[in-house]
Amino acid sequence: AQKITQTQPGMFVQEKEAVTLDCTYDTSDQSYGLFWYKQPSSGEMIFLIYQGSYDEQNATEGRYSLNFQKARKSANLVISASQLGDSAMYFCAMREANNNDMRFGAGTRLTVKP
Amino acid sequence: GAVVSQHPSRVICKSGTSVKIECRSLDFQATTMFWYRQFPKQSLMLMATSNEGSKATYEQGVEKDKFLINHASLTLSTLTVTSAHPEDSSFYICSARSGVGQNSPLHFGNGTRLTVT
Repeated sequence: AQKITQTQPGMFVQEKEAVTLDCTYDTSDQSYGLFWYKQPSSGEMIFLIYQGSYDEQNATEGRYSLNFQKARKSANLVISASQLGDSAMYFCAMREANNNDMRFGAGTRLTVKP
Repeated sequence: GAVVSQHPSRVICKSGTSVKIECRSLDFQATTMFWYRQFPKQSLMLMATSNEGSKATYEQGVEKDKFLINHASLTLSTLTVTSAHPEDSSFYICSARSGVGQNSPLHFGNGTRLTVT
């Protein structure tokens, strides 16, 4: 069974600094995808970044990058140059190749301080 | 980009009544849609997978007779909370994939906040 672990219930970061949100996962599949979503207080789920299990390069999307360490089964999200608008819940998720659904971690609430 | 529309965004109903939530894929066809439930300050928990033209697949512990799912077309799935009770009050959010590739993300509706009084 899939399991996604986010050990940081809450994180604080100073505006303009970088922050790393942790995510570890457990799967016996070789092929899977890892996703990060942002959920502002409005409730919408915003897709941020994707990392495939076979991708050799760490994914990057603008200020978001993923520190993927396959052997350790970790897929940490790095947000550079934090902005006040980055304050939100962040969820790590995984989808195995043989499953159509996606499972989510418990989430991390990020607060960016001015 | 792929857009999923969910309606209503907020509903308040009395205990014992039923509530229907609609989820539409606006610019793509979705043979499969997913319904999640989120309690305050918690994660999204998958309730069921909605399959166009066939029965939904429910996660363990989710009452299929209470949470009726209908996926009658390639762009519409509905979730009906029957005989709602206060403990059903939650944030319900639907999602769908616009592609079949491993890297295709789920696109989410904006969610429905259900309050049962």
